[in-house]
Order: sequence, then C-alpha cells, then structure tokens
Amino acid sequence: DTGVSQNPRHKITKRGQNVTFRCDPISEHNRLYWYRQTLGQGPEFLTYFQNEAQLEKSRLLSDRFSAERPKGSFSTLEIQRTEQGDSAMYLCASSLDAGQSEKLFFGSGTQLSVL
Amino acid sequence: GENVEQHPSTLSVQEGDSAVIKCTYSDSASNYFPWYKQELGKRPQLIIDIRSNVGEKKDQRIAVTLNKTAKHFSLHITETQPEDSAVYFCAARGTNAGKSTFGDGTTLTVKP
Repeated sequence: DTGVSQNPRHKITKRGQNVTFRCDPISEHNRLYWYRQTLGQGPEFLTYFQNEAQLEKSRLLSDRFSAERPKGSFSTLEIQRTEQGDSAMYLCASSLDAGQSEKLFFGSGTQLSVL
Repeated sequence: GENVEQHPSTLSVQEGDSAVIKCTYSDSASNYFPWYKQELGKRPQLIIDIRSNVGEKKDQRIAVTLNKTAKHFSLHITETQPEDSAVYFCAARGTNAGKSTFGDGTTLTVKP
C-alpha cells in the first residue's frame, strides 16, 4: 500500500501522559496535514506543513500539541499532558500542491483514548 | 475564518432514488470545493471536487453544483445503491490557503 500510513492505529493512555503519533505521507507529496475528528463531526484542521516548514497552526491547537516534519517526509504529532478531551481520531493527510486544486489523501488515522 | 455548514445531517433514501446534500460557506475567497466519502471505520476519500470557475461537474452517478453568488454547493447522487451508504463531507478551501474547512457530515443510508 503506497498510500498515507499512520501509526499506531489505536492508542490508549492515561490522563497526563504524553503520546506521539507518526504519519508517513505519499512519497512525492510535499504537503502534509493533521486533522482531528470526533464522532459526528467533520475533520477539524490542526496544522499543516509544506515540505519541512510548518505554515499554519489552528488557534485551537494548545501549547500541549506540537508537530514536526524534520526532513520534509514523515511527520510526528505529540500531545503532552493528555486530557480526556483529547480523545479523538487523529487523521493525517497529504497532497501535492498543484496550485489549482488540492486533493487530500487521508491515512486511516490514530484513534486516541484518554482514560 | 471559513465556516462550512452542511445539511441534512442524516438522509435515508430507497435504492434507485436520488440524494442531494447541500453545503454553504462563508468566505467568498474560497475557490476549491471537494466532497469526501467516509465509510464506517475507514478513511475519508475524495469522490468529486469543483473549482470556483465551474458551475457544475459530473462523474457518472455523482454531480456537484456550485453557486458562487449564493455561496453554496451541492452533491447529487442519482440511482443510489446500498454501497453509497456512508458519511459524506463537503469542504471549502480558499485561495493560497493551505487548509480545507469541512462540514459536519451527512450520514446517507440507502435502503435496498
């Protein structure tokens, strides 16, 4: 499968612990996005990268969240001091910035449960 | 920022009937409008998209229409089949904007 890959698929953690998720985009895609999805809602934008540069962060993203894409390939999303409200599906998507349109290719997501 | 509203939240149709899902957006600078289908437990997948310089686009049983003046766009599925049952999301993206803003989804159920 040469699509977007996310690991782990599921993560259960206790409140206050730190967690880190990984996303491997489609290899030729220069843009990488992180979204969060809760039940009954659409994907909510968190942040995105063009190559290794983080170009935008949602104002909803507290300072407990940090994302990196050090070499412009895979990305990690870390949540520090997790809270129960962080429980959600974390989706990664990648795209090839073609200017005129931008089809997002999503990964299968990481389901986070904070107990 | 952009705000996308989607209606209805649930839609149930008989197999063979048509289904229409509507979305409105707030930012007149938005120029790209994709639709994604998400089956239970699976990732969202693009099914059709439209740019602001086009009023309508069709791909087999699926069509999307866009009214830039009114800032709304719609997904039309004809001759629905049970495998069309899924959650459908609309989205809007602005010029030079990286992010897409999604609606809250429509759960479509096609009854055989």
